[in-house]
Amino acid sequence: EAGVAQSPRYKIIEKRQSVAFWCNPISGHATLYWYQQILGQGPKLLIQFQNNGVVDDSQLPKDRFSAERLKGVDSTLKIQPAKLEDSAVYLCASSGVVSHEQFFGPGTRLTVL
Amino acid sequence: GEDVEQSLFLSVREGDSSVINCTYTDSSSTYLYWYKQEPGAGLQLLTYIFSNMDMKQDQRLTVLLNKKDKHLSLRIADTQTGDSAIYFCAEKGGGADGLTFGKGTHLIIQP
Repeated sequence: EAGVAQSPRYKIIEKRQSVAFWCNPISGHATLYWYQQILGQGPKLLIQFQNNGVVDDSQLPKDRFSAERLKGVDSTLKIQPAKLEDSAVYLCASSGVVSHEQFFGPGTRLTVL
Repeated sequence: GEDVEQSLFLSVREGDSSVINCTYTDSSSTYLYWYKQEPGAGLQLLTYIFSNMDMKQDQRLTVLLNKKDKHLSLRIADTQTGDSAIYFCAEKGGGADGLTFGKGTHLIIQP
């Protein structure tokens, strides 16, 4: 069974530019999460989708971050405009029927200069 | 809000047991997890325990949960060089699916 796929793996941009990350969850997993992991810290939840609906986006900085999962499968996370403090690894995770198990992708490492 | 605390570093000799500790504050936690992260990689789910259990064993891994003290530990028996990684403790609260993570414990293996 293929795991959670993410792209790109690395991205370097200048502040005030825009960037988008893509995630393909494990096949059949209805729940998808985006986490932000700043260097030296644990991941922090940004947003959770159940199918194509948002369940929790309370920690998403909505002035600059947006996410969608239009068809209930793939998801994109966008930052516009980026700030220096957005430099982090962005992790996507998914869970299925056994909803207490979350499986993570390899992440996208974003560097904002 | 909920908080999860871990020691930042643990150094053990190869072949010894490693014990990584974690404390949490959310009294409504339903599940508690241990994830492993190797350099440049994502998070690998090692094991988890339901909050009404006090112990779970899986091959070299033993998880102990003291719900009264909100203390979770992960014991790795016969620690090997391949166990060198960052280990994250995480909890899931009663009302949400998103996980709250600690800052991670760097496990360092001495030859």
